[in-house]
Amino acid sequence: NAGVTQTPKFQVLKTGQSMTLQCAQDMNHEYMSWYRQDPGMGLRLIHYSVGAGITDQGEVPNGYNVSRSTTEDFPLRLLSAAPSQTSVYFCASSYSGGGSGELFFGEGSRLTVL
Amino acid sequence: AQTVTQSQPEMSVQEAETVTLSCTYDTSESDYYLFWYKQPPSRQMILVIRQEAYKQQNATENRFSVNFQKAAKSFSLKISDSQLGDAAMYFCAYRMYSGAGSYQLTFGKGTKLSVIP
Repeated sequence: NAGVTQTPKFQVLKTGQSMTLQCAQDMNHEYMSWYRQDPGMGLRLIHYSVGAGITDQGEVPNGYNVSRSTTEDFPLRLLSAAPSQTSVYFCASSYSGGGSGELFFGEGSRLTVL
Repeated sequence: AQTVTQSQPEMSVQEAETVTLSCTYDTSESDYYLFWYKQPPSRQMILVIRQEAYKQQNATENRFSVNFQKAAKSFSLKISDSQLGDAAMYFCAYRMYSGAGSYQLTFGKGTKLSVIP
């Protein structure tokens, strides 16, 4: 009963390094998304996908890339990390169609950029 | 753009008492969904309750209920018989279906609830 799995849970990077946050779901959800959570800011949408091969930008997409080659996986890439990307990142998924479904969240990944 | 406002950054409640968390939102749409999520110190986001805008009846889930005022664009969460385990950050969220399986879920900045024994 895995649900949404994010890895790694913690990561420390130096400015300019690249990394990928992995997200996988086993619920056959069409919709997947990435949020970042910063103190006093709530959760802000970075990128989302409504199905394999389809991605779109959210509220704060700069500095992040995504791809969706399979229904299950939706990785988030930081090509050149900056201190402003220090945050907690959440992957979330849901069924699409009808808009009544809830978002299922992963446990979050805490990223620190030095 | 849709915005969600939680005007109470922090609140506290005595154990066994009732507390209400406020949320207002701004939208020009008539068909949407509203959610309250709970985030305990474990960081896990947990759905507490949801409300479909076209339903006039307020949603309830055990000790949790909402007061949904569509015209006023207000969506408050009432927690009855508060328990120590209710201590968490609570986020109000607005979700609009924008077609072709696409959604935009916008969160408020959260209210930190403390429960006093």
